[in-house]
Amino acid sequence: NAGVTQTPKFQVLKTGQSMTLQCAQDMNHNSMYWYRQDPGMGLRLIYYSASEGTTDKGEVPNGYNVSRLNKREFSLRLESAAPSQTSVYFCASSVMGSGNTIYFGEGSWLTVV
Amino acid sequence: TQLLEQSPQFLSIQEGENLTVYCNSSSVFSSLQWYRQEPGEGPVLLVTVVTGGEVKKLKRLTFQFGDARKDSSLHITAAQPGDTGLYLCAGSNTGKLIFGQGTTLQVKP
Repeated sequence: NAGVTQTPKFQVLKTGQSMTLQCAQDMNHNSMYWYRQDPGMGLRLIYYSASEGTTDKGEVPNGYNVSRLNKREFSLRLESAAPSQTSVYFCASSVMGSGNTIYFGEGSWLTVV
Repeated sequence: TQLLEQSPQFLSIQEGENLTVYCNSSSVFSSLQWYRQEPGEGPVLLVTVVTGGEVKKLKRLTFQFGDARKDSSLHITAAQPGDTGLYLCAGSNTGKLIFGQGTTLQVKP
C-alpha cells in the first residue's frame, strides 16, 4: 500500500517549457488535490477533484491545468512554465471531501529557470 | 476569500517549555485540522476538530476549536526536540481545505 505517489520528485525546467506532474493513489479515495508550498505561505490549493470526472479551481489555478484521468490518477500540467511556478508541489487525496483525513504525497520539487 | 492566520510564524524554545500556536480566521469552518510536516515530506494529520468548543488531547498536545468555529489553538506541554517541525492548521468549508501559512517550531535540547 503505497498511499499517494507523485512523480517526478525533482525537475528543472526552462521558462516556457511544459511538463506534467503525475499523481496516483491506491486508497480508493474519491477526492484528490494539488497544492503548492512556498516559504512563509503554507500550502495553497491549485485545483481539486471532488470525485472522478469533476475538477474545480482552488486558490491559485492560473498557469495550471489538471486532468482526473480515473479514480486513481490526478495530473497537474504546466503548459508554459514561469519562474513564479518554482515551488514544491504536493498531491493529496481523501475519502470524500476535505473534512476527512487528507493524505499527502512526498512532494515534487520544481525549479523554473 | 477565506484566510487562516497562524501565529507565531517562528518559535524557538528550550526543551521542557510550553508553547501555544494560534490559528485565526474571520470565516466559519465546518472543521479544522492540524498537520505536522517534517523537511522533505508531506504534511501528516495530527487531529480534526469539528464541534465549536471542542478540546482534543494527543499525548502532550492539546487542540481546541473556538466556540464560533473561526479559530483554533495548539498547546504543547513540556516540548521535546522531537516536536521540532512545521505545524499547519487547515480549515474545511465548501469542499476545499485551506491552509494557514504555518508555524516553524524548533525545540532545542
